Amino acid sequence: EDQVTQSPEALRLQEGESSSLNCSYTVSGLRGLFWYRQDPGKGPEFLFTLYSAGEEKEKERLKATLTKKESFLHITAPKPEDSATYLCAVQAYSGGYQKVTFGIGTKLQVIP
Amino acid sequence: DAGVTQSPTHLIKTRGQQVTLRCSPKSGHDTVSWYQQALGQGPQFIFQYYEEEERQRGNFPDRFSGHQFPNYSSELNVNALLLGDSALYLCASSLDRGNQPQHFGDGTRLSIL
Repeated sequence: EDQVTQSPEALRLQEGESSSLNCSYTVSGLRGLFWYRQDPGKGPEFLFTLYSAGEEKEKERLKATLTKKESFLHITAPKPEDSATYLCAVQAYSGGYQKVTFGIGTKLQVIP
Repeated sequence: DAGVTQSPTHLIKTRGQQVTLRCSPKSGHDTVSWYQQALGQGPQFIFQYYEEEERQRGNFPDRFSGHQFPNYSSELNVNALLLGDSALYLCASSLDRGNQPQHFGDGTRLSIL
């Protein structure tokens, strides 16, 4: 069974204090790894897709990286508006079709 | 370009009732997936629809059923509601081509009394 584990579950940072969120996964036949941002009461907002080990994607203060076992979401000099829950999801083949499995998320709070 | 839209935004039901949630996919998308997200948890996959057929199903009972219409919009039906069905129900759409990411609506908050 596909498994996605995110750590830490919660993270509190001072504004400008860089850090990383971790997503480790166990899947058969990874097709893609996705990062989403979710604000309270809203649906997940797509951030990045990573397809192969060594790949990196950047967007503003966020940078996602991928290895064969895990992905990191690096947040550089975060601002209070970066506060949200960050979800990691993996897409893999299951029963002939592609299935997406989510982690529990990391709740990030950035304090001014 | 309209994104994924869901209705209603909030719903309150009592145990034993039935509910129907609706979803219109992002323009150009042909695949719709439904997820249940309990408070403090990640989204849990319910099922996926493509070409008006249920293509995949997660670990949810038969009380959960769905439908996809020719215009790709979709409905999620839940019968015999239980207190444990209280959650945010998310609809996600994608293009059935390669490893495309899913785009989500803002969900329907279902509360069971």
